[in-house]
Amino acid sequence: GQQVMQIPQYQHVQEGEDFTTYCNSSTTLSNIQWYKQRPGGHPVFLIQLVKSGEVKKQKRLTFQFGEAKKNSSLHITATQTTDVGTYFCAGPGAARQLTFGSGTQLTVLP
Amino acid sequence: GAVVSQHPSWVICKSGTSVKIECRSLDFQATTMFWYRQFPKQSLMLMATSNEGSKATYEQGVEKDKFLINHASLTLSTLTVTSAHPEDSSFYICSVFSGKEKLFFGSGTQLSVL
Repeated sequence: GQQVMQIPQYQHVQEGEDFTTYCNSSTTLSNIQWYKQRPGGHPVFLIQLVKSGEVKKQKRLTFQFGEAKKNSSLHITATQTTDVGTYFCAGPGAARQLTFGSGTQLTVLP
Repeated sequence: GAVVSQHPSWVICKSGTSVKIECRSLDFQATTMFWYRQFPKQSLMLMATSNEGSKATYEQGVEKDKFLINHASLTLSTLTVTSAHPEDSSFYICSVFSGKEKLFFGSGTQLSVL
């Protein structure tokens, strides 16, 4: 079945440093989505990428969808303590369900 | 976006009892809802797809007789964990697809089985 992997599993950065998480799917995706889950909270939708090679920005966050539509990345510039949480990528399956990646837990040290 | 209400937020129960979790789509008619389970520091694993007016579709390895799903209306799906055991302790979370294929999640239910 479809598998979605993320690396790294954990990342500790000093406040102000950059952060990147990478997502790889075993199958080609029609789109990829990113979610953020704060500690103790539920996942919140961040963005959806649809086109091959697409790049989208949200303030300090930059999302990229690979040319082959099998990988994606999320880059945060100049991290802040509010960026703390686990970032998940997710890809749709055949029946509209989403398969979530393994997640990257970001810790930002003040 | 869709507003999804999930209740209760947390529940502690004795082993062998059953627990019902409700998921309501407050502003969106959801013919389909999804139930996920998340163990500590792990990803979200899809348990089942809840279909309004018909049987739920369960993922491989999920016992349908243990995790009963009822989707009786366009705004309500329930998950009942029957005869709960300590290994069922987990974070259960429901979700609804918006019209643009993105998921909106309920706040989740932390289940602890003693």
